[in-house]
Amino acid sequence: IVLTQSPGTLSLSPGETATLSCRASQSLSRSSSAWYQQKPGQPPRLLIHDASSRATGVPGRFSGSGSGTDFTLSISSLEPEDFAVYYCQQYTGSRYIFGQGTKLEI
Amino acid sequence: EVQLLESGGGLEQPGGSLRLSCAASGFTFNTYAMTWVRQAPGKGLEWVSSISASGDGTYYADSVKGRLTISRDNSKNTLFLHMNSLRADDTAIYFCARIVWAFDHWGQGTPVTVSS
Repeated sequence: IVLTQSPGTLSLSPGETATLSCRASQSLSRSSSAWYQQKPGQPPRLLIHDASSRATGVPGRFSGSGSGTDFTLSISSLEPEDFAVYYCQQYTGSRYIFGQGTKLEI
Repeated sequence: EVQLLESGGGLEQPGGSLRLSCAASGFTFNTYAMTWVRQAPGKGLEWVSSISASGDGTYYADSVKGRLTISRDNSKNTLFLHMNSLRADDTAIYFCARIVWAFDHWGQGTPVTVSS
């Protein structure tokens, strides 16, 4: 299974809405989908699990959706601290797969 | 507070071995599955291996199967990654993480460089 994230780079301004896509080469269950944020020099941070459930402490401007082969992370009213790299992840058959990442830049 | 602290990384020659450790605190270690994820310089995230809470279930990415071995010592709240037959493409930062639905807490990582 391959996860393809698009776009590779997304250039937006603070206050705008970001829509990040993750497409799987095979249909997967919703419960296996997650999204992470990573800033330079830091470990990844879990944002969304089970496709649409926000992790503890994650602001409400982050939302996840999707099922089957297409999953989306939306970030509304972008804050300066939201500019980072975002990875989608899928779990299947005791294995985990990451997408190649989307860089969200100002 | 959940804390994960990796150690054991460093410079090793191709074909050599390393043992990474991940010391866990702030949660009941023996009730959580754990995982290792790596990130090559300037690249994305790659899942390496996972282990069940009891340690009797282990899972590996194809790229490391047969060379890397995950284990844990629940009496010492520590996760391990035994790395053998190291190759240049094993060069990366290695993160340990706790598994709750997804990887909900991560350590800061330990760097591994494989080079002659």
